[in-house]
Amino acid sequence: QLQQSGPGLVKPSQTLSLTCAISGESVSSDSAAWHWIRQSPSRGLEWLGRTYYRSQWFNDYAVSVRSRIIFNTDTSKNQVSLQLKSVTPEDTAVYYCARWESYGEYFEQWGQGTRVIVSS
Amino acid sequence: DIQMTQSPSSLSASIGDRVTITCQASQDIADFLNWYQQKPGKAPELLIFAASKLETGVPSRFSGSGSGTDFTLTIRGLQPDDVATYYCQHYDNLPLTFGGGTNVEIK
Repeated sequence: QLQQSGPGLVKPSQTLSLTCAISGESVSSDSAAWHWIRQSPSRGLEWLGRTYYRSQWFNDYAVSVRSRIIFNTDTSKNQVSLQLKSVTPEDTAVYYCARWESYGEYFEQWGQGTRVIVSS
Repeated sequence: DIQMTQSPSSLSASIGDRVTITCQASQDIADFLNWYQQKPGKAPELLIFAASKLETGVPSRFSGSGSGTDFTLTIRGLQPDDVATYYCQHYDNLPLTFGGGTNVEIK
């Protein structure tokens, strides 16, 4: 199960921070990758990136946000987090974390989604 | 980036109808395609993976076909519970991209 947390309102130019707590599986599982996806009426479903562990941690980011985004992992809390810096109203969206099943190659599980509004 | 084009963007059909949704990739993606169903206020849920494989627990009225650039999601015998938006998603390479969605309503 994936449980998301984080603020629903962020001011322009500030940093959006979201956390995805994972239960029932280790965040370091070699059969999973943890992705972030956002959804807005203007952009639809937009993949933001992924983090996964295969003897070491790997991150891949979408080009559109690469200069502003960071993924972190807290193995003691079994959670992943997203930080998106210098947000603008265009970053307003519902943000999802999702578990990618690496053997079947599909999004097997999604967080409940966090609606984030960027506004002053 | 691979562009995924879905059609139609919305449709209205009667209970029991056969519904067909198409998804076209901008380049050959073999069978690296998944289909998801999203109901209002909820996260997407997997229906079909690898173009034609039915996810466990998904009703057999759902089926997927296609390979290369052209794919189809079919609902045989539309049910009220199928009212949702359907998305295709490729995983041939990064970035993963989704189609624009098809909103299915009951006539």
